[in-house]
Amino acid sequence: KQEVTQIPAALSVPEGENLVLNCSFTDSAIYNLQWFRQDPGKGLTSLLLIQSSQREQTSGRLNASLDKSSGRSTLYIAASQPGDSATYLCAVKSSTGGFKTIFGAGTRLFVKA
Amino acid sequence: GAGVSQSPRYKVAKRGQDVALRCDPISGHVSLFWYQQALGQGPEFLTYFQNEAQLDKSGLPSDRFFAKRPEGSVSTLKIQRTQQEDSAVYLCASSLGTGLLNTEAFFGQGTRLTVV
Repeated sequence: KQEVTQIPAALSVPEGENLVLNCSFTDSAIYNLQWFRQDPGKGLTSLLLIQSSQREQTSGRLNASLDKSSGRSTLYIAASQPGDSATYLCAVKSSTGGFKTIFGAGTRLFVKA
Repeated sequence: GAGVSQSPRYKVAKRGQDVALRCDPISGHVSLFWYQQALGQGPEFLTYFQNEAQLDKSGLPSDRFFAKRPEGSVSTLKIQRTQQEDSAVYLCASSLGTGLLNTEAFFGQGTRLTVV
């Protein structure tokens, strides 16, 4: 059974700092991994989608990497801003999990001005 | 539409009441997913539709939960005889391709259900 873990559960950093959020998954047989952002009371906004054949994806100040063999992904945020404050969720679509996408519990990020 | 739309945004139900939650996916999207998100947790899979076919309902927590997508577009999640443990945010997502292909999921803002 696929399990997704995100560390840390919460993070508070000063504005301008570069930071890394971690995601690990137990079954390396995946189709893709997706990072989402969730603001309080809102739905999920897709940030980056990494296919199983890819190693990383970049969008603006965000960079996500994928290492299937070790069951890990990282989301790197450069030059953090107060507007980056949100919960970041990692989600994995397993090739053995049918149609499910399995989510981690998220990392709550607070960027202080 | 421009995005996935869910209604109502908020629903308060008395224990034992039936509720119906609606999801309008992005036009043309084949795949539609329902998730349940408890406070402080990540979303948990409930069910998946490919067009009008419900291909996976393994995440539905009990026989009180039903979902349908009769014409392959709008979907309804119904919860019968609601209980307090049903209180959660119910999220709907759609994607252009089928569930097993590498496609990006787009989420609605969710329906926050509170059972009192």
